Amino acid sequence: GAGVSQSPSNKVTEKGKDVELRCDPISGHTALYWYRQRLGQGLEFLIYFQGNSAPDKSGLPSDRFSAERTGESVSTLTIQRTQQEDSAVYLCASSSPTGRRGGGYTFGSGTRLTVV
Amino acid sequence: TQLLEQSPQFLSIQEGENLTVYCNSSSVFSSLQWYRQEPGEGPVLLVTVVTGGEVKKLKRLTFQFGDARKDSSLHITAAQPGDTGLYLCAGVSSGSARQLTFGSGTQLTVLP
Repeated sequence: GAGVSQSPSNKVTEKGKDVELRCDPISGHTALYWYRQRLGQGLEFLIYFQGNSAPDKSGLPSDRFSAERTGESVSTLTIQRTQQEDSAVYLCASSSPTGRRGGGYTFGSGTRLTVV
Repeated sequence: TQLLEQSPQFLSIQEGENLTVYCNSSSVFSSLQWYRQEPGEGPVLLVTVVTGGEVKKLKRLTFQFGDARKDSSLHITAAQPGDTGLYLCAGVSSGSARQLTFGSGTQLTVLP
């Protein structure tokens, strides 16, 4: 696609429920990143995919968080047994192999998750 | 862990004023990027600076990379309401798979 697409754009869930967030990267972008952003703050790294492998998942805050990617396309971020502190905007970004070194990331508009 | 500190955290100015945002770290980065983020959207890349001491201009925005590649600044001349947004710096580390380390951001509001 023309840009990085994330769905849903907004999600309200009850504490304890599982949620699944989806990211469609730009076609041909081999690298995919998930970040979390709390209100008015910077971006907190969660996980990085190169193709369908995840060389760096050190940013996942707990074992309730997991992510997978199919080939060099769609990625899903799953949060199990959601807690109120999980409320944030979850941003996905993708980049081309050369883009990571200087061309920058292309971000989606994010999924705003609210846990009530 | 590499950290990027941005200052100020919040900045509210009148249209036409000048401002500077700072991004500092104790770590060396191979390059540094600046992004702007508007409400409800993801960050959008403004510029990448690569060489120590490099200065890049984008209309009324001037970006500088420190000589030691540990810090950067963003200067806006004659700010306009359309410049309002969250400005984020991000350091690129050649030795890290995650590549980008983001600063905490500067929320700029330009009042008409």
